[in-house]
Amino acid sequence: EDQVTQSPEALRLQEGESSSLNCSYTVSGLRGLFWYRQDPGKGPEFLFTLYSAGEEKEKERLKATLTKKESFLHITAPKPEDSATYLCAVQEAGNNRKLIWGLGTSLAVNP
Amino acid sequence: DTAVSQTPKYLVTQMGNDKSIKCEQNLGHDTMYWYKQDSKKFLKIMFSYNNKELIINETVPNRFSPKSPDKAHLNLHINSLELGDSAVYFCASSRGLAGGGDTQYFGPGTRLTVL
Repeated sequence: EDQVTQSPEALRLQEGESSSLNCSYTVSGLRGLFWYRQDPGKGPEFLFTLYSAGEEKEKERLKATLTKKESFLHITAPKPEDSATYLCAVQEAGNNRKLIWGLGTSLAVNP
Repeated sequence: DTAVSQTPKYLVTQMGNDKSIKCEQNLGHDTMYWYKQDSKKFLKIMFSYNNKELIINETVPNRFSPKSPDKAHLNLHINSLELGDSAVYFCASSRGLAGGGDTQYFGPGTRLTVL
């Protein structure tokens, strides 16, 4: 069964303490893996799309990487404003634009 | 310059009522979606339209009926509301790229509370 699993479920960091979030997936052919950020009371905000193993993308303190089975979202020297839920989703080959979503990692960064 | 907008933001209603949520996008996208996010934050796809044609229709009670008058608008009508319909409903849009990597952009959500 196609699925996306994110870990940890929740993560609390001190400001400046780098860490990584994991998104493991099982799909029959990957068309794209997406990372989103969701703040309380708001819609998911697009961060990155990764297409193939070995690909990396960066934006400010965030860096997303992709292997054949999982993706990592590395957060370097996080700030309190990075606190949010980070969602991962995959689009599988042959499926008409439908995304399979993980449950997210809730990140809290303490000052 | 709101890219994907939804109205209303909050909706509180009684069981058995009928209500509608409206969505508009000004991104020039061809595809629009409705999602339901429950209390556990799981995003569940409900419907998707591409150029006014229904392309995704998940297992959703037929009390839910989407309508797309044009490719910039996708509305959701819900009949005979039940307690379990309480959730946040998100609209999203994408360019409609069939080859993959079709990034979806989300609206701010509509929090529906059924009493």
